[in-house]
Amino acid sequence: NAGVTQTPKFQVLKTGQSMTLQCAQDMNHEYMSWYRQDPGMGLRLIHYSVGAGITDQGEVPNGYNVSRSTTEDFPLRLLSAAPSQTSVYFCASRFGQGEQYFGPGTRLTVT
Amino acid sequence: EDQVTQSPEALRLQEGESSSLNCSYTVSGLRGLFWYRQDPGKGPEFLFTLYSAGEEKEKERLKATLTKKESFLHITAPKPEDSATYLCAVQASASKIIFGSGTRLSIRP
Repeated sequence: NAGVTQTPKFQVLKTGQSMTLQCAQDMNHEYMSWYRQDPGMGLRLIHYSVGAGITDQGEVPNGYNVSRSTTEDFPLRLLSAAPSQTSVYFCASRFGQGEQYFGPGTRLTVT
Repeated sequence: EDQVTQSPEALRLQEGESSSLNCSYTVSGLRGLFWYRQDPGKGPEFLFTLYSAGEEKEKERLKATLTKKESFLHITAPKPEDSATYLCAVQASASKIIFGSGTRLSIRP
């Protein structure tokens, strides 16, 4: 199993540009989540999904969109990038109430 | 308000010097407490899950314990390869998992 994969690993955007961060898992997990990690702060939940076709907002959803058309994929879209969205983004998946499995992260810089 | 606080922020130990990391929490209903290890430039890696006060889990040089208000990650005779950031997370509901800001552990040879 590849586990949770994320692409790209690094990305630089200009303010106002849009992009999609890709996330895929091959463990047939129902729950998938997107977090951002900033220095000195814990991981903060952006959006999550409890299954294909079902998504909901987390703690910091503004400026981000998600969709879940399949169990495996959970892309995160930045609609109009802002410098405040400079961060490291992690995708995670889990089965039921168990532990989460994290991807390797995407380091995003918005100039 | 649900909250998770980890201390200390950073800890430097000599190889073989045992110590403990703390995770204190306030949540309305604990569904589980998780410990993760995160190496620089990588995603968090799962270590332990604890569900009820008094529970303990061990893995190599690490032991996690849980009370009604806090959890400890005890590190016995650490080695340089134990250097990492250790994250604590509390599950307060089916969809709400709160992470602490982590403890950066550095083990000097």
